[in-house]
Parts: sequence; structure tokens; C-alpha cells
Amino acid sequence: EVQLMESGGGLVQPGGSLRLSCAASGFTFSKYAMGWVRQAPGEGLEWVSSIGASDGTTYYADSVKGRFTISRENRKNTVYLQMNSLTDEDTAVYFCAKGLGVIRAAQLAVWGKGTTVTVSS
Amino acid sequence: QSVLTQPPSVSAAPGQNVAISCSGSSSNIGNNYVSWYQQVPGTAPKLLIYDNNMRPSGIPDRFSGSKSGTSATLGITGLQTGDEADYYCGTWDNSLSAGVFGGGTKLSVL
Repeated sequence: EVQLMESGGGLVQPGGSLRLSCAASGFTFSKYAMGWVRQAPGEGLEWVSSIGASDGTTYYADSVKGRFTISRENRKNTVYLQMNSLTDEDTAVYFCAKGLGVIRAAQLAVWGKGTTVTVSS
Repeated sequence: QSVLTQPPSVSAAPGQNVAISCSGSSSNIGNNYVSWYQQVPGTAPKLLIYDNNMRPSGIPDRFSGSKSGTSATLGITGLQTGDEADYYCGTWDNSLSAGVFGGGTKLSVL
């Protein structure tokens, strides 16, 4: 069974940093692009970032470009999202998702349960 | 403001059919595959349709997808109360070099 488990969420002050992790199991992790999607309270889904399967090509939403960095460790079946210079607009549930393809996570086949990030003083 | 446009809400009675539209442009829907997701509030989204009209294993054939030009549609037949959820369309945007979602459509089964 394909499973994704996010961790690392929590309360952080504006301007602070947080690193989210997503541990994957049940599939050949190194063969799929992975992505992050967030959902602010009461709002819709917002695509955040994607990383390719093997060459590590990365993509970012304009709202996080320059502040967030996605990375992966294929030997650990884990994808990360380093979030810096956080603002209250980054408060959301962050979902990790498995892409259908190799290069970019545009279509998201399986989703984790999410981890909550709250930016507040 | 979402890149893809969906109606905020639709409603229908049990047993009826419903269609949810998703409108975009040539930089996204017009030149990329569309996927659809179902999200029951408080839970993670679930993939319903990929590659415009393909269903993952386990998704009933009551759910269908289509695409024409820069628009896509999710169809649901024989509505059930369990279909009440938020539905999102998604695709890639070549101009943004990023994924994009619609604003979501809340389906009420009255």
C-alpha cells in the first residue's frame, strides 16, 4: 500500500524557518516526482512545489519562490520542504503528494494526511 | 484568484447527475493533462480523474472527465449522499512553470 507521512509542522514566529519531511513507502520512490500542496484554513488547494524523480529538477509557486526549497533523499524515501522567512500567509495544512510522472508532480496520485504549519507571534 | 475557474458550488438531488466545469487557458488546460480531486472536509484530497478522462483503480465509473480546448468537466452520475465534498481541478501551467488548481466546487447532495 502506498503511504505518505508528513512531519515537522508546528507553530513558528513570523520570519522563522521550518523543515517539513515526508516519508514514503509502498512504491519505488526514486521513480516518481514528488510535490507539496498547501491549504490555508477555509481556503482551497494551492500547489507549492515539485521535484523530479532522479535529476531533482525543482519547480515552485511564485508565492514561495526564493523562500522555500524542496529536496529529496531517494535512499531514505523522503522528500523535504525547507521553509524560510515565513509569514502568516504561509499558515496552512501542508500535504505531500506522489506525482504520476517522473519529471514534475502536476497530477498527484496519492496524498499524505498533511501536517499543520501555523505562523504566529 | 485561482488560475483555473470553477463554480463555487453546485447541488443536486440523490440519483441525479451533475457536471462541474473548470476553465483555463492555452498555457494550462489547453496544453496539459487535467486531473480532478475529491476532498471531504478535514481529510486529504483524493485523485478521481487523471489524464483528462482516466480513472484510478477503485474509482467508480459514475465519475468521468472530459476536456475540450481550454476547459474541462467532471461528471458525476447517480449522485449519492457520500459524494458531498469539495472538488478541485488541477493541471500544469507552462507560463508559470508550476502546478495550478481551481478554486474548488462544493457539491451538495440535497
